[in-house]
Amino acid sequence: GESVGLHLPTLSVQEGDNSIINCAYSNSASDYFIWYKQESGKGPQFIIDIRSNMDKRQGQRVTVLLNKTVKHLSLQIAATQPGDSAVYFCAENISGANSKLTFGKGITLSVRP
Amino acid sequence: GAGVSQTPSNKVTEKGKYVELRCDPISGHTALYWYRQSLGQGPEFLIYFQGTGAADDSGLPNDRFFAVRPEGSVSTLKIQRTERGDSAVYLCASSFRLAADTQYFGPGTRLTVL
Repeated sequence: GESVGLHLPTLSVQEGDNSIINCAYSNSASDYFIWYKQESGKGPQFIIDIRSNMDKRQGQRVTVLLNKTVKHLSLQIAATQPGDSAVYFCAENISGANSKLTFGKGITLSVRP
Repeated sequence: GAGVSQTPSNKVTEKGKYVELRCDPISGHTALYWYRQSLGQGPEFLIYFQGTGAADDSGLPNDRFFAVRPEGSVSTLKIQRTERGDSAVYLCASSFRLAADTQYFGPGTRLTVL
């Protein structure tokens, strides 16, 4: 079936290092992708999004890369901080069609001091 | 400004009981979504409202689940004859207008069915 998935369940990084979180998607019709951060006991928090007409989009300390050829999405976090520790989800959507976001299972980012 | 709010934050009920979960979207957002999140999983879509009408309810698991949004703002998710398998965090999100606009999530309601 079609799904959004993440390659690794956990990622441990040293504070100050850069983090890269990867995501594979299988629905070639998806044209809108979002990264969410979820801290324990809270709802998902929007980080950054990208539409399929772009390959790269930058925010504050975060960059999302989209490779439509291999259906791959990544989130790069520069100078990772303890406050970045959370579960990260990628999600996909088909704009103009049904509205639901399809989420992957999530990856836990743990920042070592 | 105020984000999406959900009440209650926690709900414990007994098997077979009826529960209502409430969502207050961001002011001015016309689209409202309900998702369900089980432990260790990503959120799963339940239903989507555009204004007062349910535009897509394909994610509702069965007819025990129902949601309304009578005035196009606050929404209530209703679960009848709750089962232990309904235990999860129920998340509400809203977006300004279209489905592809950014969805902003509330803190969720943790439902526990004993």
